[in-house]
Amino acid sequence: RKEVEQDPGPFNVPEGATVAFNCTYSNSASQSFFWYRQDCRKEPKLLMSVYSSGNEDGRFTAQLNRASQYISLLIRDSKLSDSATYLCVVNDRGSTLGRLYFGRGTQLTVWP
Amino acid sequence: NAGVTQTPKFRVLKTGQSMTLLCAQDMNHEYMYWYRQDPGMGLRLIHYSVGEGTTAKGEVPDGYNVSRLKKQNFLLGLESAAPSQTSVYFCASSYSAADPNRNNEQFFGPGTRLTVL
Repeated sequence: RKEVEQDPGPFNVPEGATVAFNCTYSNSASQSFFWYRQDCRKEPKLLMSVYSSGNEDGRFTAQLNRASQYISLLIRDSKLSDSATYLCVVNDRGSTLGRLYFGRGTQLTVWP
Repeated sequence: NAGVTQTPKFRVLKTGQSMTLLCAQDMNHEYMYWYRQDPGMGLRLIHYSVGEGTTAKGEVPDGYNVSRLKKQNFLLGLESAAPSQTSVYFCASSYSAADPNRNNEQFFGPGTRLTVL
């Protein structure tokens, strides 16, 4: 079983729409959680960290449910520039490395 | 401050040829990583290093070797390239996972697109 599972999509939404991505992780010892964004043929870049209390950054809201081992990302008022692949990432800080485990990504296309 | 850089950006090899991919970071990060990304597979960890002079195997290490002689550089070697190694290779770096003041965010280089014929 993969450490991190995501719905690959693709999600195709009009500008201004609200879209939500979900992700589950298998290791209950995981301690840090992130959403990365990857544009076509580019490297992944950190979008936001995910905290237990939930956090918001402009139009983006991330939620964590430790009991269900579930992470979500909500994008409000979608822009054309939001088109990208969104990677759910989990850090097993309990290990000696604290390595990151990446989901396969959810592809989003925002159309005008 | 260039962040993480990778050379070369593109390369085409014939089966059996060797090459070395170079990664450099100027953020004084302790940890460095090599990933490969294939369609539908996501990012898979090849090898990693938790400090100068140390390396360890990741999820898919076979066919690759690495070296970290200097803190800022992490080299990935393919001794005898195979078509199955056609992929996009990303290097990344981060602060130590043991640092409680850091969230272990990884910073990625722009990638190397490798084709093995």
